Formats: sequence, C-alpha cells, structure tokens
Amino acid sequence: AQKITQTQPGMFVQEKEAVTLDCTYDTSDPSYGLFWYKQPSSGEMIFLIYQGSYDQQNATEGRYSLNFQKARKSANLVISASQLGDSAMYFCAMRVVYYHGSGNTGKLIFGQGTTLQVKP
Amino acid sequence: GAGVSQSPSNKVTEKGKDVELRCDPISGHTALYWYRQSLGQGLEFLIYFQGNSAPDKSGLPSDRFSAERTGGSVSTLTIQRTQQEDSAVYLCASSLSLNNEQFFGPGTRLTVL
Repeated sequence: AQKITQTQPGMFVQEKEAVTLDCTYDTSDPSYGLFWYKQPSSGEMIFLIYQGSYDQQNATEGRYSLNFQKARKSANLVISASQLGDSAMYFCAMRVVYYHGSGNTGKLIFGQGTTLQVKP
Repeated sequence: GAGVSQSPSNKVTEKGKDVELRCDPISGHTALYWYRQSLGQGLEFLIYFQGNSAPDKSGLPSDRFSAERTGGSVSTLTIQRTQQEDSAVYLCASSLSLNNEQFFGPGTRLTVL
C-alpha cells in the first residue's frame, strides 16, 4: 500500500530561521514522485517543489529544498530564512503512475499536513 | 497566464438536493483531477480525467457522485441527493500530462445543511 506520513501536526519557527518539515513515504514501486504543497488560510494549494525517485540530486526552489533520503524513504522539506508569509499548512504528497481501469493514473496521495507558524 | 478556476467558491445546499461544481483547468492541460478535503479525512482523491475519459474513478465515494469533462477542458462534478457528510472543500487540479506537477484551483466549499 502507498502511504505518506507527516508526524508533526504543528511547528513553530522564529522569523529568519530555517525549519524542516518531516515526511516519510511507503511504496514498493521503484518509480514515484514526491511533492510539497503549501496551503495558506485562503485555502489554495500552492505547488512548492518536486523530487523524482530517480533524481540524483536534492531538488531546490529558491528558499525551499527537499532533503531526499531514498533508503530511509524520507522527503523532508527545508525552508530557509523563514518569513511571516510562510505561515500555512504544508502537505507532502506522492504520485505513483500505474495502470488502472482503462489507462494510467497519476493521483496524488497526501499526508495529513503540518501547520507551520512563523513567529516575528 | 490564468490558473485553474472553480465555481462556485461557496455552495450551501439542503440535504437531498443535487449540486454541480465546475472546474476550468489551465489551457492545454490534458490531465484533470478532483480531490476532496475534509476535516476528518484529509485530502482524498476522487477522479482523474485524461482528455475527456476517466481512467480512474476509484475515489468516488458512492454512486451519488459523478463527473464529466467535455472538449478536453471544463469538468463538472455532480453530487446527487447530497448528505451532510458530503460537506467539504472540493479541489480541482490540472497538469500538462500525467507526469507533470498538478496545479490546484481555489476550491469550492460545499456545506450541506
């Protein structure tokens, strides 16, 4: 079974400091993708960063980086230099492309999310 | 360019009524997904479209739920005979293809009284 686990329901970080949000995953498929999304109080899901299972290097996007440890099945999100606008819910998600029904599917499986609060 | 749009943004309905939720994906995106976000269940996949066909409907919770997509673009999620447990935020996402990142719309908040 495929599963995403986020063990931190809530996190606090001081403005300008770095913070790591944990994510572990479970799949037996060798090919998969890992995603992080941000959901502010407005409700919209904002794509942050992507890591493919065959990517050799950790993904980075501006202040976001993904600490991908394949053997441990973890894909932690690191936010550097936190800003007040980073306060939001963060979701880790996994996609495994597989054949279902009449074709392939690439649905996302989400973790329960981590609420991050940045303190001034 | 324009992102994924959804309408209405909020819908309040009475138990037993039918509702239609609309999603306009990003132009050119062939893959379209519906998800549901509720307090008790987190984010759940409902259905996936590739073009106008739906190869994966495995997340639809009951036969009261259906969806269609026309012209490879707009999609409508229909819930018949709504129940209180259908109350949730319904999110639509689109991607260029199956293997690309999914971009989400703002969601429709459905409240069933």
